[in-house]
Amino acid sequence: GAGVSQSPRYKVAKRGQDVALRCDPISGHVSLFWYQQALGQGPEFLTYFQNEAQLDKSGLPSDRFFAERPEGSVSTLKIQRTQQEDSAVYLCASSPGGTHLINIQYFGAGTRLSVL
Amino acid sequence: SQELEQSPQSLIVQEGKNLTINCTSSKTLYGLYWYKQKYGEGLIFLMMLQKGGEEKSHEKITAKLDEKKQQSSLHITASQPSHAGIYLCGAANFGNEKLTFGTGTRLTIIP
Repeated sequence: GAGVSQSPRYKVAKRGQDVALRCDPISGHVSLFWYQQALGQGPEFLTYFQNEAQLDKSGLPSDRFFAERPEGSVSTLKIQRTQQEDSAVYLCASSPGGTHLINIQYFGAGTRLSVL
Repeated sequence: SQELEQSPQSLIVQEGKNLTINCTSSKTLYGLYWYKQKYGEGLIFLMMLQKGGEEKSHEKITAKLDEKKQQSSLHITASQPSHAGIYLCGAANFGNEKLTFGTGTRLTIIP
């Protein structure tokens, strides 16, 4: 596709359920990012991949959060035993990466997660 | 850690008027990105500034980075309804692609 695609767009989960959020980056983009955006706030960094390698996961709020990108393309963010404080919009972004020190990140429309 | 402060938090402007949004960093900026977000949508890239004193324009939007590389401004000339949305500044860190974002400025354009 032409842009970053995220699915589902909306997810309602009962507290304690596991959820999986998918991100399809722009074809050929090396770098992939996950951000969490709470209502009325700017996005906050969660984790970053370069190809299949997870280079930075310092923003993951707890060990209930897990991300993978096994083939260096599609990525999945998994949240186990969801809590109400996990309710937020989860944004995925990709960038060309490679040798460029600064790369423009292109964002998907996000997945809005509501935990009841 | 780097912090970005945006001002104002919200802005209501009459159509046709000019406006300015500011973004101030607690540290020297290595790269500064401006994005626009509409409700329920992702972030749309507007402009990126890297050099002190740099200024870029696209259509009616101009972004500047000050000489000390700690403050950026986004100026919209002759605002239109299509300019409404949330404007976010994001800072890049040296050697690390992850972005740190400000809390955003919500812009409303009234007829």
